[in-house]
Amino acid sequence: DAKTTQPTSMDCAEGRAANLPCNHSTISGNEYVYWYRQIHSQGPQYIIHGLKNNETNEMASLIITEDRKSSTLILPHATLRDTAVYYCIVRVAPDAGNMLTFGGGTRLMVKP
Amino acid sequence: DVKVTQSSRYLVKRTGEKVFLECVQDMDHENMFWYRQDPGLGLRLIYFSYDVKMKEKGDIPEGYSVSREKKERFSLILESASTNQTSMYLCASSLIGQGQETQYFGPGTRLLVL
Repeated sequence: DAKTTQPTSMDCAEGRAANLPCNHSTISGNEYVYWYRQIHSQGPQYIIHGLKNNETNEMASLIITEDRKSSTLILPHATLRDTAVYYCIVRVAPDAGNMLTFGGGTRLMVKP
Repeated sequence: DVKVTQSSRYLVKRTGEKVFLECVQDMDHENMFWYRQDPGLGLRLIYFSYDVKMKEKGDIPEGYSVSREKKERFSLILESASTNQTSMYLCASSLIGQGQETQYFGPGTRLLVL
């Protein structure tokens, strides 16, 4: 499985863009990059995923470098409710039961 | 919207008790998962199921068993609860696919074993 590396914590001002980086230098060609977040005392929430191309949905944008060794999750206008732990995950192969492996994540604190 | 529900948000049990944690999803997903989450250890997979009556061990199955009698319901059983099973338990479900499954999580059950 490709391992991911994320900063332990980050701060962001309310209303500004939050850019959360993730390194996954050992990612293989058929592995997707997933982002989840977990607000305190709740279950993880899916945000976005991608393979090669940049992706955008109503929650965030995902920028994947051309060599796929790193990616950045962008929350365009962070709000206080975006304070959470954000997990960058590289999805394991299907024959491993489609499980997700969560690492330590980045604790994002959005401040007024 | 996908909805994954868990039978309890908080549970307190005594050592040696048998504990049942129930999970129900309403989106006809084939895959269901049970994880536990502990500070500093992230999310660890206990068991998963890819079909009714089918189950596979995850990373930490010891002390746990599961049951999937119906597609929408996946139960986690602690046969004889121990204090080291105090944790947050999370259930998830997903469709079967090739690389694009999105796992949807329930709200979690915080279990305290005394």
